[in-house]
Amino acid sequence: SQKIEQNSEALNIQEGKTATLTCNYTNYSPAYLQWYRQDPGRGPVFLLLIRENEKEKRKERLKVTFDTTLKQSLFHITASQPADSATYLCALRDMDTGRRALTFGSGTRLQVQP
Amino acid sequence: DARVTQTPRHKVTEMGQEVTMRCQPILGHNTVFWYRQTMMQGLELLAYFRNRAPLDDSGMPKDRFSAEMPDATLATLKIQPSEPRDSAVYFCASGLVLGLDAYEQYFGPGTRLTVT
Repeated sequence: SQKIEQNSEALNIQEGKTATLTCNYTNYSPAYLQWYRQDPGRGPVFLLLIRENEKEKRKERLKVTFDTTLKQSLFHITASQPADSATYLCALRDMDTGRRALTFGSGTRLQVQP
Repeated sequence: DARVTQTPRHKVTEMGQEVTMRCQPILGHNTVFWYRQTMMQGLELLAYFRNRAPLDDSGMPKDRFSAEMPDATLATLKIQPSEPRDSAVYFCASGLVLGLDAYEQYFGPGTRLTVT
């Protein structure tokens, strides 16, 4: 069966450290993978997109890697700040089904302690 | 600052009642999505439209849910009759899809539905 797995346990880190979140998928052939941020009571907000032929993408303090062999994406926040505390969702578009819609993981909650 | 709007933001209703949720996508976006989010299931796709035509509603319980786009500025999601298990946050999102190119989705603030 198809699965997108993100660590359901909250990730707690100290301010200034690098946060690393994991997204693993099974039985998908993603054309691309996206990361979203969701704050309590709000809708998800798009952060980064990485295509299947890209290994790494950066945007300011954010970095995403995509390993189609391991079927995994890693999302890094460097020099983390308390304002980075939120739930982070990965999402992918599956090429095999031709479905244009994204399928989302359940998200990992990040808590950055001052 | 273009954004997706949703109404109502909160809805409490009794089992058996009809619920209608509305969404105004970002002007110029050609694809609209409806999602439902619960603690147990996460974010689930219910239906989506391209250029107002329904492309996929396989995630929706068809006997009670219906989704429409009467025009390019309005998408609706109806539940009739509503049940307690429909309690969730319902998000609308829109995006601009060009051919097979990738795109990002812009989410609205959601409608928090409670069915008692």
